[in-house]
Amino acid sequence: AIQLTQSPSSLSASVGDRVTITCRASQGITNAIAWYQQSPGKPPKLLIYDAYILQSGVPSRFSGSGSGTDFTLTISSLQPEDFATYYCQQFYSYPYTFGQGTKLEIK
Amino acid sequence: EVQLVESGGGLVKPGGSLRLSCVASGFTFTSYSMNWVRQAPGKGLEWVSTITSTSDYIYYADSVKGRFTISRDNAKSSLYLQMNTLRVEDTAVYYCARGAITFDSWGQGTLVAVSS
Repeated sequence: AIQLTQSPSSLSASVGDRVTITCRASQGITNAIAWYQQSPGKPPKLLIYDAYILQSGVPSRFSGSGSGTDFTLTISSLQPEDFATYYCQQFYSYPYTFGQGTKLEIK
Repeated sequence: EVQLVESGGGLVKPGGSLRLSCVASGFTFTSYSMNWVRQAPGKGLEWVSTITSTSDYIYYADSVKGRFTISRDNAKSSLYLQMNTLRVEDTAVYYCARGAITFDSWGQGTLVAVSS
């Protein structure tokens, strides 16, 4: 199975900061990566798919990049509602796998 | 509006069985693959199973293969997960999610607790 390793596991930042979360795949997966946001007690929400395509309704401060094995999710200017846990997911092959998550906390 | 509503969770003893259901509305159910994803308390997300729109293809995580069975009833816009031989480590919130590759809509989840 393809393993996804996110870094960092947790991150403290302030409103207005620019933050980047990294997801590394154990083998090349072209651009078959998605990013999700999960707030406590809520289901995950799809943010980005195909590595860089913004899901409808997601604010433009979210962006994704990368291909092959290395991917990034960037939030250009943190808003209060962005403090949550973020997961990457590969859909290159079954079994689909998720990264372990990155918890973004308020500094 | 897309809605996915799970039910069927509860407390069960190790070795027991449960059947989860997910009723879909607000979209053409027959056009979409459907999935189960679970999340153990305080842990990350784990993909469990996928079924294509006409049930032609079904996939399982190794951790549930041989114990869980995914199915769907397109006439009822419903997705199911039959869980047998449950283990303590199957304790989690189980979400149904829409999509063949990325999961663009999720239900609120149903909690399955396996404990003696």
